Amino acid sequence: GAVVSQHPSWVICKSGTSVKIECRSLDFQATTMFWYRQFPKQSLMLMATSNEGSKATYEQGVEKDKFLINHASLTLSTLTVTSAHPEDSSFYICSARDPLLGETQYFGPGTRLLVL
Amino acid sequence: DQQVKQNSPSLSVQEGRISILNCDYTNSMFDYFLWYKKYPAEGPTFLISISSIKDKNEDGRFTVFLNKSAKHLSLHIVPSQPGDSAVYFCAASYSGYALNFGKGTSLLVTP
Repeated sequence: GAVVSQHPSWVICKSGTSVKIECRSLDFQATTMFWYRQFPKQSLMLMATSNEGSKATYEQGVEKDKFLINHASLTLSTLTVTSAHPEDSSFYICSARDPLLGETQYFGPGTRLLVL
Repeated sequence: DQQVKQNSPSLSVQEGRISILNCDYTNSMFDYFLWYKKYPAEGPTFLISISSIKDKNEDGRFTVFLNKSAKHLSLHIVPSQPGDSAVYFCAASYSGYALNFGKGTSLLVTP
C-alpha cells in the first residue's frame, strides 16, 4: 500500500516551453502533497506544500507564478513549470500524506527534467 | 539553514556487519523522524520512523534510536547486505508539516 506515481518519469523540452508533472496517490487519499526538487549531490529541497482544494504554500525563494501547483483531487496533484529555462533542469519529486496513515510521507519515483 | 544534518557523506561496511548511520537536528520542535533509502534517479523509499515520544523503534534488520536530549538519531542496519547499498536520508518534521531532510549518507556494503 501507499504507492505514489509520477508522470512522466523524464522529460526533455526546449527553453521557454511549459512542462506539467503529475503526481498520483494510487491506493490512498492524499490530503496533503509536497513537491521537492533535488539537484545533483544535494538533498531534497521542499518547493511547496499543497492541501486538496486550497492554494499551495510555497517555500521562500520558489516563484509561485513559475511553478504552478494544482491539487484538485485527493489523488492528484500537478506541478507545471512555466517557461522553463535550463536552470530549471532538475529532479522533481512529489510526496503524499494521508493523516489516516500517520505522518509518513510516501514519495513518487521522481521526474527528471532537462531543459535545453 | 540546515536543520537536519548528516555529517558523514559516506560509509563503507562489510557484509554481515552492522551499519550505523547518524543524524543530528537543531529544531527542538521536531516530533517525528524518518529514514528514507534512495537510489539514483528514483524517489526516496520509506524505511522506518520514530515519534518523539519513543527512543527506539525496530523493524526487522532496521532499528532507529532517538536521543532527544542530544538531538540525535541513528539508524542501525544489522546484518548489512549488499542490497542495502544506497543513499540514506534522515528527515524530520513537526505537526505533520513538510519534511526537513539531511544531505544523505551514501552507504556501501561490500561482500
